[in-house]
Amino acid sequence: QKEVEQNSGPLSVPEGAIASLNCTYSDRGSQSFFWYRQYSGKSPELIMFIYSNGDKEDGRFTAQLNKASQYVSLLIRDSQPSDSATYLCAVDLYNFNKFYFGSGTKLNVKP
Amino acid sequence: KAGVTQTPRYLIKTRGQQVTLSCSPISGHRSVSWYQQTPGQGLQFLFEYFSETQRNKGNFPGRFSGRQFSNSRSEMNVSTLELGDSALYLCASSLDATGLGGNTIYFGEGSWLTVV
Repeated sequence: QKEVEQNSGPLSVPEGAIASLNCTYSDRGSQSFFWYRQYSGKSPELIMFIYSNGDKEDGRFTAQLNKASQYVSLLIRDSQPSDSATYLCAVDLYNFNKFYFGSGTKLNVKP
Repeated sequence: KAGVTQTPRYLIKTRGQQVTLSCSPISGHRSVSWYQQTPGQGLQFLFEYFSETQRNKGNFPGRFSGRQFSNSRSEMNVSTLELGDSALYLCASSLDATGLGGNTIYFGEGSWLTVV
């Protein structure tokens, strides 16, 4: 079982809609959770991180963490074509600075 | 503030050769980690260095090695290259906060290695 699981997609949403990306993790000791965005041919760039149960908002992005159910999600409101990319979920197990990444979900936002 | 800088950006090597990749972290960041990204395996952790010491290691063979210098710059080396080593090699840096949370890592643009 992989430490972090994501649906590979592609997830297609129309422009202006809410995109919902999900991620599950296997180790209950996981402490810190991150979302990265990766455009084709580019390196991952940090979107946001979350440590505590609940929601965390940053602009059009909201990260949600549910440790009891071991899932993390990312909501993108008012999706734009420029949001089309692969979204990577990552976990820093025990905060050891050793990140486990999911395989990524490809998001397509259609104009 | 300059980001993580990796060199070279692109390189082609022949099977059996070795390669050295370089990484300069964000100013003030003391932790440097390396990742390999391939279409089949995704992003995989190679190793992490802090204060010139390897602190964490992933599940890669001994052909993959690294080091960190006193100025936090890091290099990774792959010896006896195999076709399967073709990948994007990413360096990431972070402020050290092991055990405390807050280990946000920031990636460089990566080094694209092709082994022929």
